[in-house]
Amino acid sequence: QVQLVQSGPEVKKPGASMKISCKTSSPIFGGYGISWVRQVSGQGLEWLGWISVNNGDTKYAQDIQGRVTMTTDTSTNTVYVELRSLTSHDTAVYFCVGSSDLWFVFDYWGQGTVVTVSS
Amino acid sequence: EIVLTQSPVTLSLSPGERATLSCRASESISNYLVWYQQKPGQAPRLLIYDASNRASGTPARFSGSGSGTDFTLTISSLEPEDFALYYCQQCYNWPPITFGQGTRLEMK
Repeated sequence: QVQLVQSGPEVKKPGASMKISCKTSSPIFGGYGISWVRQVSGQGLEWLGWISVNNGDTKYAQDIQGRVTMTTDTSTNTVYVELRSLTSHDTAVYFCVGSSDLWFVFDYWGQGTVVTVSS
Repeated sequence: EIVLTQSPVTLSLSPGERATLSCRASESISNYLVWYQQKPGQAPRLLIYDASNRASGTPARFSGSGSGTDFTLTISSLEPEDFALYYCQQCYNWPPITFGQGTRLEMK
């Protein structure tokens, strides 16, 4: 069964960095890569960016470009998202999402990682 | 950036009724429109892709229509498990991929 399994919750202070992981149980995402999406409590979904798990190419949302880095470790089928200079506005649930068959049709979702930024 | 506007924000209906949810794009996105359902404490689940194709496991009471800028998700006869949040998403032009703000379907 194809799964995306994310790392556990994190609590960070303002100004700190976070790095969360997403391990894929299958190489099927090699065709369409992995995106990261976040959801602030009670609010909508925000796309943060995309990474190719084949060659590491990335595209980021303009709002966070400069603070975000997505990477991949092909030896472990794991992708990472690092977000720096955290503020309270970054408090959210972060999802890794994958497409098995069509570009950016997200048929696979990780379980979500809760990130809390608080002093 | 393509902006998606969903309406209504909240829809109050009873089981057995028909639900019609709307998603409007700020510019034409052809049929590159996706619908998701999200229940509390869960990740969103893919329902419809390419505006009108049901994803694997999506019940037949869910249907999608539209092209260009105006799209509709219809639930023909509401079941208790259908009361949830619904999001539309465009995959026509990126970055960024964008989502609508969501429609909450609540039980009257």
